[in-house]
Amino acid sequence: NAGVTQTPKFRVLKTGQSMTLLCAQDMNHEYMYWYRQDPGMGLRLIHYSVGEGTTAKGEVPDGYNVSRLKKQNFLLGLESAAPSQTSVYFCASRQPRTPRGADTQYFGPGTRLTVL
Amino acid sequence: GENVEQHPSTLSVQEGDSAVIKCTYSDSASNYFPWYKQELGKRPQLIIDIRSNVGEKKDQRIAVTLNKTAKHFSLHITETQPEDSAVYFCAAFYSASKIIFGSGTRLSIRP
Repeated sequence: NAGVTQTPKFRVLKTGQSMTLLCAQDMNHEYMYWYRQDPGMGLRLIHYSVGEGTTAKGEVPDGYNVSRLKKQNFLLGLESAAPSQTSVYFCASRQPRTPRGADTQYFGPGTRLTVL
Repeated sequence: GENVEQHPSTLSVQEGDSAVIKCTYSDSASNYFPWYKQELGKRPQLIIDIRSNVGEKKDQRIAVTLNKTAKHFSLHITETQPEDSAVYFCAAFYSASKIIFGSGTRLSIRP
């Protein structure tokens, strides 16, 4: 049981390059999320998915695309990287519980992306 | 738009004392309020959460209280220990697409 894994852990891109970040979870969670965390700030939601084959925009979706072809995987794509996308990217999975129960949420270890 | 304000931004307490972090949210439609702990260079971890139909929840040394009328919720850590040192984030889930995080509180425990 690996929980939530992310690849790669680090990446340096030049402006205009593209890349895909992979998130994988082995807990059969329905919900998956991509966040970015900038220095000294909280997390901001980029895109999310409530199930296999579904994706939707979060708070800061511009410049990113996502896909969830398999329940266990959630991919984040940058088509044309910009310096403003330099950040740490966290994937998370979540299984909501009943109204009186506790959620189960886990974050991946993060991907540190630098765009030059 | 929706906003979550978190205070204080830094907090230093003597080991063994209590720490309280407060968050205020703007949209009364929010229904789920988790708290996360993030140690330096590591991933956030969910430590406790509360739903809008509950006023208080406790798990050993940590507790969360929710005041829906005032639209604020607080994290309480009692008998603080050195391993409690970290950045703590609150969040408000307004809907599946609106998850707003606070800006974080850096908690330091003095020996």
